[in-house]
Amino acid sequence: DVQLLESGGGLVQPGGSLRLSCAASGFTFSNYAMTWVRQAPGQGLQWVSAIRGSGNDPYYADFVKGRFTISRDNSMNTLYLEMSSLRAEDTAVYFCAKGTIFGVATPFDSWGPGTLVTVSS
Amino acid sequence: DIRMTQSPSSLSASVGDRVTITCRASQSIVRYLNWYQQKPGKAPKLLIYETSTLQSGVPSRFSGSGSGTDFTLTITSLQPEDFATYYCHQSYSLGNFGQGTNLEIK
Repeated sequence: DVQLLESGGGLVQPGGSLRLSCAASGFTFSNYAMTWVRQAPGQGLQWVSAIRGSGNDPYYADFVKGRFTISRDNSMNTLYLEMSSLRAEDTAVYFCAKGTIFGVATPFDSWGPGTLVTVSS
Repeated sequence: DIRMTQSPSSLSASVGDRVTITCRASQSIVRYLNWYQQKPGKAPKLLIYETSTLQSGVPSRFSGSGSGTDFTLTITSLQPEDFATYYCHQSYSLGNFGQGTNLEIK
């Protein structure tokens, strides 16, 4: 069975940094694109960032470009999201999601339970 | 960026009803349209991908149709477990979501 488990969320001050991780198991991690999707409290889903199975060609939503960095370690079956210059509006549950193909424009057939990031002083 | 617009934003229905949710893309996405169901406090679940293909294990009362810019999700004979929020998502170019449709019990 595919399993995804995010970690690293927590309370951080505005302007601070945080690194999220997503541990994957149950599939050949390097064969699939991975994506971060977030959901602010009481709001809808928002695509944040994605990376190909190879780890090349990261993609970002405009609202995080230059502040967030996505990466993956295929030897550790782990996806990362390095977040800096955090703002109150980045407060959300962050989900990692598995694509169905190698490329980043893909449906998401498995999701982790999410990790909550709260940006507040 | 491709914008996705869902309607209605909320919907009240009864067990046994047939409901339809629509999703419109700001440009053609061919058939790269997916639907997810999300229940409170849980991760979304993929229901339908590429407009009309049911994800494994999804009941046949769920169906999808459309092409280009206009798409629909139909649920026939609503069951109690179907009351949730539904999101469309385009995978033609990266992946924006619609704003969601909250399906409530009447």
